[in-house]
Amino acid sequence: NAGVTQTPKFQVLKTGQSMTLQCAQDMNHNSMYWYRQDPGMGLRLIYYSASEGTTDKGEVPNGYNVSRLNKREFSLRLESAAPSQTSVYFCASSLDGDYGYTFGSGTRLTVV
Amino acid sequence: AQSVTQLDSQVPVFEEAPVELRCNYSSSVSVYLFWYVQYPNQGLQLLLKYLSGSTLVESINGFEAEFNKSQTSFHLRKPSVHISDTAEYFCAVSEVGRGAQKLVFGQGTRLTINP
Repeated sequence: NAGVTQTPKFQVLKTGQSMTLQCAQDMNHNSMYWYRQDPGMGLRLIYYSASEGTTDKGEVPNGYNVSRLNKREFSLRLESAAPSQTSVYFCASSLDGDYGYTFGSGTRLTVV
Repeated sequence: AQSVTQLDSQVPVFEEAPVELRCNYSSSVSVYLFWYVQYPNQGLQLLLKYLSGSTLVESINGFEAEFNKSQTSFHLRKPSVHISDTAEYFCAVSEVGRGAQKLVFGQGTRLTINP
């Protein structure tokens, strides 16, 4: 049982390049989330998906897009990367609100 | 909307000493409360949670947290810490309800255990 799997683990992009962060869960969870973690700011929600086919904005959605491809997969896309998007990105999933999240191991992204 | 404030960004303690990591929250609706732990270069793991009922909740590795509604606090405590407790700890809240629940996190507290 792998839980939540994120790829890649590390990535360096040049300003203006695009990329997609992949996330997959094998726990049959309904909801999936993307957060970014920056020093001294905790984790901030970028986008989330309550179910297959639905997505909603979180606190910091600008510069990102998401796709809930099926129940297992939830991808995050940066169309034109900026240095301000340098961060550690975490994907998470939950069965329901009171169970808490299961997190992936993160993607460390650097935009130069 | 909810907000979470962790009052200490760093807490250094000696091994076998007690520790308290402070968390205050703000919300106009009922909330669930969580503590997550992040070990170096890893994702976050759920440590413990308060949903309802007894205001004192415990984890399997000796941590406990007490929900205080009047003070809107959810402080995390351990009576005797170990070197392996060195990590960053995050307090989080979400609205009571079903379905997708957006967690709002505090800024984190880095706990360092010195021998």
